[in-house]
Amino acid sequence: QKEVEQDPGPLSVPEGAIVSLNCTYSNSAFQYFMWYRQYSRKGPELLMYTYSSGNKEDGRFTAQVDKSSKYISLFIRDSQPSDSATYLCAMIDLHGSSNTGKLIFGQGTTLQVKP
Amino acid sequence: EAGVTQFPSHSVIEKGQTVTLRCDPISGHDNLYWYRRVMGKEIKFLLHFVKESKQDESGMPNNRFLAERTGGTYSTLKVQPAELEDSGVYFCASSQAPGTTNEQFFGPGTRLTVL
Repeated sequence: QKEVEQDPGPLSVPEGAIVSLNCTYSNSAFQYFMWYRQYSRKGPELLMYTYSSGNKEDGRFTAQVDKSSKYISLFIRDSQPSDSATYLCAMIDLHGSSNTGKLIFGQGTTLQVKP
Repeated sequence: EAGVTQFPSHSVIEKGQTVTLRCDPISGHDNLYWYRRVMGKEIKFLLHFVKESKQDESGMPNNRFLAERTGGTYSTLKVQPAELEDSGVYFCASSQAPGTTNEQFFGPGTRLTVL
């Protein structure tokens, strides 16, 4: 079983739609939860991070973490064609044996926002 | 400020050959990570350097892979001899410090194709 599960999509929505992206995980030791965005032929770039449970908002983006359900979400409001990319969730277990801050990624969801 | 750079951007080699990938982290970043994405799979951690020391190499697939970071600046990842299953995109990332909210900045990746 993968530590982090993420539906690869693709997900296609019209411009202006609200997008919901989700990941589930199995390791209850994960404390930091990240969302990365990756454009084609580029490296992942950090969008948002959340520590433990709760919500975090940044402009059109909202990240939610529900540790009791081992479930995280990223919401994109008023989606734009420029949001078309692959969105990757990633997690860190800071108290793992190595404590390196290594990222555990989901497979990524490909999003297309159509004009 | 220059970001993380990787060279080459794309490499096509035959099975049994040797390939060396290079990563130049952001100046001043002591932490350097290597990740790999095999087609259809998630991005997976390979190893982590702190300056010139290997902090965690638990993700290295086997002894055909050798990573070095002499002098604590750039890093190389050598695959010798390359096998078909080594094909994928190799990402390098750097951060000022491990874990917590110290963002890992990713390079654009090296796409390796083993024929």
